[in-house]
Amino acid sequence: GAGVSQSPRYKVAKRGQDVALRCDPISGHVSLFWYQQALGQGPEFLTYFQNEAQLDKSGLPSDRFFAERPEGSVSTLKIQRTQQEDSAVYLCASSLGRALKYNEQFFGPGTRLTVL
Amino acid sequence: KNEVEQSPQNLTAQEGEFITINCSYSVGISALHWLQQHPGGGIVSLFMLSSGKKKHGRLIATINIQEKHSSLHITASHPRDSAVYICAVANTGTASKLTFGTGTRLQVTL
Repeated sequence: GAGVSQSPRYKVAKRGQDVALRCDPISGHVSLFWYQQALGQGPEFLTYFQNEAQLDKSGLPSDRFFAERPEGSVSTLKIQRTQQEDSAVYLCASSLGRALKYNEQFFGPGTRLTVL
Repeated sequence: KNEVEQSPQNLTAQEGEFITINCSYSVGISALHWLQQHPGGGIVSLFMLSSGKKKHGRLIATINIQEKHSSLHITASHPRDSAVYICAVANTGTASKLTFGTGTRLQVTL
């Protein structure tokens, strides 16, 4: 079956533009995660959904970052008024299980965002 | 100090060499991932383990819970193994989100 997909794969934005990044998780996966990976660094947690509920958004770096998953499937990460420091690869991952027990996460290919 | 530390940061090996990448962590965990990331590509999970040892082809992963340490071994390395290898842990308590190391960049030459 299909894995996690993300679109667009590459995005170039001018500073100050708003961007929207999409994640399609594996069908039936309850949990969805967004991570940010700066160049040369490991990914860092941004936010987590269980179905449509955003249970943890502690990693969002500022109020310019907003994520939603309105129907408990597809998720969108929106960044308003992009800044150069937002340039990174944004990774989405999904897993089958719920919060009380760790379940293996499956990663998408990422969206590489470059802010000029 | 980061919660997850990897060593070495960069590694160059000749084809056929035995490779070891180490990961130390400072928190209680429910699981540890070894992940592979190729340039421009997404992340692929190689192993998920919470105890003992796992083997898949030329790859072996071990974990020592008491010492909070894991190793990834590659036997008979090949240029196609060239990638970034990342250790990630799922903390007990949070159970869901992963905390990642900064990765080990491996280059295997002919």
